[in-house]
Amino acid sequence: DVKVTQSSRYLVKRTGEKVFLECVQDMDHENMFWYRQDPGLGLRLIYFSYDVKMKEKGDIPEGYSVSREKKERFSLILESASTNQTSMYLCAITSLYGYTFGSGTRLTVV
Amino acid sequence: QKEVEQDPGPLSVPEGAIVSLNCTYSNSAFQYFMWYRQYSRKGPELLMYTYSSGNKEDGRFTAQVDKSSKYISLFIRDSQPSDSATYLCAMKGQGAQKLVFGQGTRLTINP
Repeated sequence: DVKVTQSSRYLVKRTGEKVFLECVQDMDHENMFWYRQDPGLGLRLIYFSYDVKMKEKGDIPEGYSVSREKKERFSLILESASTNQTSMYLCAITSLYGYTFGSGTRLTVV
Repeated sequence: QKEVEQDPGPLSVPEGAIVSLNCTYSNSAFQYFMWYRQYSRKGPELLMYTYSSGNKEDGRFTAQVDKSSKYISLFIRDSQPSDSATYLCAMKGQGAQKLVFGQGTRLTINP
């Protein structure tokens, strides 16, 4: 089975900090995605990548950037964290049937 | 109007009941339909996958797709407290890489 690993389950960061969320897959999948999930708003796509060094904006890219230097790793960067970025962040890859998700990172910005 | 509509609930039913979860969609190009289950503080996991119209059964779970009505359903028979979770529908068209998700329905099964 494909494994998608998000490095942190829970993070607490201060306003203005630069935050890195890491996602690693153990297969050779091209497509990787970052979503945030908020009550009442569902899943919203932030960025996705279909190959190394390739990225495309999703529906809500403002305040975020991404990095994909190696195929297995896709990083989400919050340049200057703000309280409205408190959320559940989910990484996903395209698999045979839809997506495989990581366990999620619950980020709180104080 | 959202591409995929799903009632967020919450939905609360007694143990043993039959549960029906539904999504409607507007894009007739969608051909692949999925249901994900998400437990609290965890990532979604794939529960059912259906291509085009028809039914698919897996144990206590049945997925139905009616493309003519642009309507998909997930039925849970003999519901258990362990089925308490958020259920997300998702779909995509032929060749598409991105899924389009419903908002998710929060389900609680009461013992």
